[in-house]
Formats: sequence, C-alpha cells, structure tokens
Amino acid sequence: DAGITQSPRYKITETGRQVTLMCHQTWSHSYMFWYRQDLGHGLRLIYYSAAADITDKGEVPDGYVVSRSKTENFPLTLESATRSQTSVYFCASRGGTEAFFGQGTRLTVV
Amino acid sequence: LAKTTQPISMDSYEGQEVNITCSHNNIATNDYITWYQQFPSQGPRFIIQGYKTKVTNEVASLFIPADRKSSTLSLPRVSLSDTAVYYCLVGDPDKLIFGTGTRLQVFP
Repeated sequence: DAGITQSPRYKITETGRQVTLMCHQTWSHSYMFWYRQDLGHGLRLIYYSAAADITDKGEVPDGYVVSRSKTENFPLTLESATRSQTSVYFCASRGGTEAFFGQGTRLTVV
Repeated sequence: LAKTTQPISMDSYEGQEVNITCSHNNIATNDYITWYQQFPSQGPRFIIQGYKTKVTNEVASLFIPADRKSSTLSLPRVSLSDTAVYYCLVGDPDKLIFGTGTRLQVFP
C-alpha cells in the first residue's frame, strides 16, 4: 500500500537498551523527518534528511541516531534509552509542498 | 528561522467561522506560511500554504496581509470534527519546525 508506515506502533523498553523505530515511505519523497511529541505538547524535530545518505540535526537530536541508506527508509535509533525519551514519535516525508505523517510510535521507557 | 506566535486555545460552536491568527514578525522574504491540523493520537495533516494575499482550498482559507508579519487561517462553518490542534509553520521547509499550536474546541 502506498503511504508512510511506522513500526512498531507501540514499544515498551527498559532504560539503557537500544531501540530502533522504523519508518518506510512508498512515494520516493526526498525529505524525511523524525519528531517526538510529549503528552500535551507540540512536535519537536529530532532529525531530518534531504536525501539518501544526507541527514541533519533538528531541535532535539541528543540521544538519537539516524541513517538513510535508502530513500524509502529512515530508521531512528535510541542508543541507550532513558525515561525522558518516553514519547510518541512521528515520522514524516515530503516530496513537494505537503508533508505526510505516519501514525506514530508510542514508546515507553521503564 | 521565523518564530511564530499563536493563541494557545480557542472555543467555537458548530456552524461558526473560526479565524486563527499567527504572528511571525521576522518572516524572511523567501518564507512560505503553512498550516497543519492534528487530531488526538494522529500525525499532523497539511491544510494550506500561502506566500501572500489569499489562498483558498476546499478546507480553509489563508489570509496574508501585505507586510506578511501575520497570517489568518479561516475555517468556514466549523463542525465538531474540526476540534483539533492547528499549527502555523513559517520558515525553512527543509526543517518543518512546529510551534505550540492552537487548540480549537468546537462545541455543539
């Protein structure tokens, strides 16, 4: 199916563990983004990518790593999860004016 | 990067027109103004984008005065399903920086 999908939808992990959130888009959009949204707050940009093999830091990149070896995939890795990284994570892609967002991954770090 | 200021919240009733204003005093010459809508537990959804004057689509209108230091999103005849958070974005489209948004509550 065409679109942008995130996996998993829900994840519980322990403090200190590494966890990877996946994002896949089928449009071959150049730009992809990762955001986090804490309960009751707006979205904060973690990382973004203008094309394959090109990534850049957003507003809150500390504690996160991204890669983009293929245009359609943009995984986000938490190298050593902390409780403060409990949040809802949204991935987005943009080919023109409009950005399209995934359904989000609700991550809980215990 | 142009900073935006929006009201934190607004209330309306079904059938009314709602106008949400966004202030962006230091908007750059090349900046576009973009609005997104976000329902609870969903990712944001694009509503409208403009550069100057007025833009209209099937969902909303966007009014931008000549000095471009503010913009107004107009939602005609809102319904309960328009209850959401509305974000005004101004600046580098490569980064898509979201502000705090305006929480619109529509009552019956």
